[in-house]
Amino acid sequence: ETGVTQSPTHLIKTRGQQVTLRCSSQSGHNTVSWYQQALGQGPQFIFQYYREEENGRGNFPPRFSGLQFPNYSSELNVNALELDDSALYLCASSPRTSGGASYNEQFFGPGTRLTVL
Amino acid sequence: AQSVTQLDSQVPVFEEAPVELRCNYSSSVSVYLFWYVQYPNQGLQLLLKYLSGSTLVKGINGFEAEFNKSQTSFHLRKPSVHISDTAEYFCAVSIRGGADGLTFGKGTHLIIQP
Repeated sequence: ETGVTQSPTHLIKTRGQQVTLRCSSQSGHNTVSWYQQALGQGPQFIFQYYREEENGRGNFPPRFSGLQFPNYSSELNVNALELDDSALYLCASSPRTSGGASYNEQFFGPGTRLTVL
Repeated sequence: AQSVTQLDSQVPVFEEAPVELRCNYSSSVSVYLFWYVQYPNQGLQLLLKYLSGSTLVKGINGFEAEFNKSQTSFHLRKPSVHISDTAEYFCAVSIRGGADGLTFGKGTHLIIQP
């Protein structure tokens, strides 16, 4: 069973640029969540996708957007990068059962380290 | 909105000693509770979770946690730590029945001293 994978592992961008991060969910998982983890902080919830639609969103501006594909993989897009966007971006997948999205364990990928100069 | 407070940013402990990592939460609705561990340069791994039922929850690697509703706490404990337990530990909550993701605390760095 393959776990959650993310690409790339590291990325350097300059302020104002756009970036796309990718995530492949664990086999059998249909829900994907994205988190931003700044240095020395806990992860912060960006948004969640289920059945290719955004299913919940944290306190992030619209320049953070995403997609989920029919195979449940996902992308996180960030436009107009700012210095404060430098962080580890974590993707997590989970199965959607009758208990609901919040009930199930989320399985995390290793993350993409984004540096904005 | 819910929030999580981890009272200690760092906890140094000698090897084979017991440890407790503290977590308090605030929420106006019922929540599920989780503890995750993050080793250097890795993603997060679930240690244990409380959904309902017995307030004492046992997890992987010898960790356990106790849910205390009156004190809104979910402290993590291990009776005897090992060097390999050195890592960052995160307490998290999610809203029952909600579509939102996990709300994490700022983390506690567990430092095991030989």
